[in-house]
Amino acid sequence: EVQLLESGGGLVQPGGSLRLSCAASGFTFSSYAMSWVRQAPGKGLEWVSTISGSVGSTYYADSVKGRFTISRDNSKNTLYLQMNSLRADDTAVFYCAKNRWYFDLWGRGTLVTVSS
Amino acid sequence: EIVLTQSPGTLSLSPGERATLSCRASQSVTNNYLAWYQQKPGQGPRLLIYGASSRATGIPDRFSGSGSGTDFTLTISRLEPEDFAVYYCQQYDSSPLTFGGGTKVEIK
Repeated sequence: EVQLLESGGGLVQPGGSLRLSCAASGFTFSSYAMSWVRQAPGKGLEWVSTISGSVGSTYYADSVKGRFTISRDNSKNTLYLQMNSLRADDTAVFYCAKNRWYFDLWGRGTLVTVSS
Repeated sequence: EIVLTQSPGTLSLSPGERATLSCRASQSVTNNYLAWYQQKPGQGPRLLIYGASSRATGIPDRFSGSGSGTDFTLTISRLEPEDFAVYYCQQYDSSPLTFGGGTKVEIK
C-alpha cells in the first residue's frame, strides 16, 4: 500500500527541539522529492521544507530557515525534520508529503505543541 | 510571494447541487501551476487537481478545474455526501509555495 506515516510529535517547551520522522512505503522513495507542510490548529496549510530525491538539495520557508533541517535516509525510506529553537507559533500538525511542487500523497500528520 | 485568496469562506449546499469554488492569485500564476486539495477532519489533504485542470489519479470526473492567470475555479458538478469537506488551492509557480485559506463546503 502506498502510504506515508509520520511520528515524533509531542509537547515541547519554547526553545526546545524535536525530530519528526516520516516512513514511506509502496513507492520508490529515492526517486521523489519529499516535503513537510504544517497546519496550525484551525488554520490553513503552510509549506515548510522540501528535499530533492537523490542529490539532497534542500529548500525552506523563511519562517523556519536556520531553525529546521530536513533530511532523508533513502536506505530506510524515511524522511526527517529536525526542529530546533521551537516557538509557540510552530504549534501545528506536521504533514509529510510526496513530491516537490504539488503534493500527490500525504500522511495523516503528527501534532507538535510548543508550550510551557 | 504569491497570495491566494479563496472565496467564499463557507459554501452551504445540498447533495446533488453544483459547487463552484474560487481561488484568486495576487499575481499571475504562469503555466497554470495551480493545484486543488480536499481535506476532511483528522486527515491529510488529498490531491484533486494539478496544472489547474488535470485530475489526479482516481479522482471522479465530477471534480473539474479551470482558469488561468490570476483566477481559478474548482467545480463539483453534483455534490456527493463524501464531498463535504474543506478545499484548498495551492500555487507552485514560484517559491515559496503558498496555499489559499480554504473553502469549507458544508451540508445545507
